[in-house]
Amino acid sequence: QKEVEQNSGPLSVPEGAIASLNCTYSDRGSQSFFWYRQYSGKSPELIMFIYSNGDKEDGRFTAQLNKASQYVSLLIRDSQPSDSATYLCAVNGDSNYQLIWGAGTKLIIKP
Amino acid sequence: SQTIHQWPATLVQPVGSPLSLECTVEGTSNPNLYWYRQAAGRGLQLLFYSVGIGQISSEVPQNLSASRPQDRQFILSSKKLLLSDSGFYLCAWSAGQSTQYFGPGTRLTVL
Repeated sequence: QKEVEQNSGPLSVPEGAIASLNCTYSDRGSQSFFWYRQYSGKSPELIMFIYSNGDKEDGRFTAQLNKASQYVSLLIRDSQPSDSATYLCAVNGDSNYQLIWGAGTKLIIKP
Repeated sequence: SQTIHQWPATLVQPVGSPLSLECTVEGTSNPNLYWYRQAAGRGLQLLFYSVGIGQISSEVPQNLSASRPQDRQFILSSKKLLLSDSGFYLCAWSAGQSTQYFGPGTRLTVL
């Protein structure tokens, strides 16, 4: 059974600091990694995804993969109160049709 | 661009009543379609996915069923709702790869 684990939080970060979110996965053969943001009462929205061949930066967001330790990180620079949300990590499953989801980490940015 | 619609947005139903939730996607052809449920404060539970008209895969045995009568339409149904069916129901689509995009969701309360 493939698993994705996240610390449920809440993770509290002061405004302007770097927020670091981690996600561990069980399948060493995983190729695709996704980060979604979910505001309270809303549906998840894709922030970014990376493949096993490298990290990615998009504006204030950076996704990093550590294959040796089997975890993927999401860094949010210059954190804003609007970044307060639950962040969901997902990893590709056995087929291209399926994602394995973590339960999410609640992030709180304190002004 | 692609858009995904779900309705209704909220629903309050008595135990034992039937259910029909609808999801439609615009701007793409032959999408993969998914139904998820998210209980309060929990992660995403995949209920059904479909790779084509009339092709439905069930992930969790329960009193729910899904149908795909048209290429871009996905319906979630139940003949008799249980209290445990309460939750946030999310429809998602993908274009043959893993990246999934979510609709706005339906919040179902069973009383």
